[in-house]
Amino acid sequence: EAGVAQSPRYKIIEKRQSVAFWCNPISGHATLYWYQQILGQGPKLLIQFQNNGVVDDSQLPKDRFSAERLKGVDSTLKIQPAKLEDSAVYLCASSLGSSPSAEAFFGQGTRLTVV
Amino acid sequence: EDQVTQSPEALRLQEGESSSLNCSYTVSGLRGLFWYRQDPGKGPEFLFTLYSAGEEKEKERLKATLTKKESFLHITAPKPEDSATYLCAVQEQVNTNAGKSTFGDGTTLTVKP
Repeated sequence: EAGVAQSPRYKIIEKRQSVAFWCNPISGHATLYWYQQILGQGPKLLIQFQNNGVVDDSQLPKDRFSAERLKGVDSTLKIQPAKLEDSAVYLCASSLGSSPSAEAFFGQGTRLTVV
Repeated sequence: EDQVTQSPEALRLQEGESSSLNCSYTVSGLRGLFWYRQDPGKGPEFLFTLYSAGEEKEKERLKATLTKKESFLHITAPKPEDSATYLCAVQEQVNTNAGKSTFGDGTTLTVKP
């Protein structure tokens, strides 16, 4: 079974530039998550999708971050404009559903450095 | 606000030296508590889900337990390959159809041969 695919693996941009990350979840997984993980901290949920709909985006900085999940499959996360504090690993995860019994599978993440 | 606190931040053990990692949590409406393992440069890897106080789960040298306020991850006779960051997460009810997970900052375990 193919895992969660993310691209790119690494990205370096200057502050105020824009950047986009892509995620392809495991086939058939209805729930998709984007997390931000700052070095030395645990992952922080940015947005959670159930199929096409947003379940929770309470911690997404909506003035600069946006995310979409077209056709309930792939997803993109965009930052525009980027700030220095956005430097982090952006993790995508997917699961069959959002119940605790639905194991979440994580991708390897995209490491973003903002200079 | 939901909180998940893990301790210690870092733990160094000799091979074979058993120990425990702690995860304390405050959440309303706990749906489940998760343990993950994260290796450098990789995403977290699922280990266990615990649902109610008194529950225990085991996998190889790892055993997870849950009370109403905390969870422990016991590591028996660890090996160097157990070195990783161990993350705890709790899931609360968001609505009738979804839960939301909050992670702790993890415990970084180093096992020396």
